[in-house]
Amino acid sequence: KQEVTQIPAALSVPEGENLVLNCSFTDSAIYNLQWFRQDPGKGLTSLLLIQSSQREQTSGRLNASLDKSSGRSTLYIAASQPGDSATYLCALRSNQAGTALIFGKGTTLSVSS
Amino acid sequence: DAGITQSPRHKVTETGTPVTLRCHQTENHRYMYWYRQDPGHGLRLIHYSYGVKDTDKGEVSDGYSVSRSKTEDFLLTLESATSSQTSVYFCAISDQRRSPGELFFGEGSRLTVL
Repeated sequence: KQEVTQIPAALSVPEGENLVLNCSFTDSAIYNLQWFRQDPGKGLTSLLLIQSSQREQTSGRLNASLDKSSGRSTLYIAASQPGDSATYLCALRSNQAGTALIFGKGTTLSVSS
Repeated sequence: DAGITQSPRHKVTETGTPVTLRCHQTENHRYMYWYRQDPGHGLRLIHYSYGVKDTDKGEVSDGYSVSRSKTEDFLLTLESATSSQTSVYFCAISDQRRSPGELFFGEGSRLTVL
């Protein structure tokens, strides 16, 4: 059974720091992996989607990588800002379309000014 | 904006009463999902749909039923609500056209069962 783990559960950094959030999974047979952001009391906002055939995706200050052989994905946030404070969730899909995403429990990031 | 609307956004009900949550989408997406989010458990799939009248169970489907009589609406029903079903419920759609397999979520429906 596929399991998704995010460590650490919480992270505090000063503004301006570059940081990496980690996501590991137990079965390398994945279709895609998606990173989300969730603000308190809000829904999930899609940040980046990496298809199985891709190694990384970039959007602004965010870069997500995927290494299926090691069962890892990382989300790199450059020059962190207080507005980046949120919970970051990774989720993956094992099969095409029909099955749904399996989620990690998230990393709660706090960026202090 | 994936055009997803959930209703109601907040509901308080009593144990044993039926509850229906509605997810409405405006962009004709084929795949729709219901998740629940609980502290310590993260997001877990309840049911999903891959077309009108085509649905399947997820990880935590006991106590829930769904219906999809038209493309735009996916309903989640708790036949007899229990306190363990107090949770935040999220609907999601899969946009196969813009970015295959990418999921977009609604704002959530917070349900409290007393």
